[in-house]
Amino acid sequence: EVQLVESGGGLVKPGGSLRLSCAASGFSFSIYSMNWVRQAPGKGPEWVSSISSSSTYIYYADSVKGRFTISRDNAKNSLYLQMNSLRAEDTAMYYCVRGTWGDYWGQGTLVTVSS
Amino acid sequence: DIQMTQSPSSLSASVGDRVTITCRASQGISNYLAWFQQKPGKAPKSLIYAASSLQSGVPSKFSGSGSGTDFTLTISGLQPEDFATYYCQQYNNYPWTFGQGTKVEIK
Repeated sequence: EVQLVESGGGLVKPGGSLRLSCAASGFSFSIYSMNWVRQAPGKGPEWVSSISSSSTYIYYADSVKGRFTISRDNAKNSLYLQMNSLRAEDTAMYYCVRGTWGDYWGQGTLVTVSS
Repeated sequence: DIQMTQSPSSLSASVGDRVTITCRASQGISNYLAWFQQKPGKAPKSLIYAASSLQSGVPSKFSGSGSGTDFTLTISGLQPEDFATYYCQQYNNYPWTFGQGTKVEIK
């Protein structure tokens, strides 16, 4: 069974940092591209970042470029999102999402940016 | 960025009804179109990929069609568990973009 379990969310002040993690199991993590997608309260999903299977290709939404860094450790079956210079508008549920179109999603980890 | 426009934004339907949701892309995306179902407090769940391919484990009452810029999701024989919000998403290129959602409510 495919499982994606996010962690690392929480309450942080504007300008602060958080590191999200996603533990993957039940599939060959190293052959899949992976993604982060967020969803602000009451809004639709918003793509944040993607990383190819071997980390060769990395993409970011304009809204997070220069502030967020996606990475992965295939030996640990883990995906990460380092979030710096956080803003109120980054407040959202952050989902770890597998593959080319997002066939499996984790349950999400909530990030709240507020003073 | 490619804009995805869904219609309607919401609809009311009865158990047993057949409903159709449309999604239009602002430029051609071939068949790189997915549909998701989301229930309150839950993560989105993949239903359809490549415009018309059914995700493993998803019942055949869900079907998708279209190519280029115009796509549809059809749900046949609506059941209580189908009342949810549905999103289309293009993955033809980055950034992935989602439609604004269609909320299917009980009449």
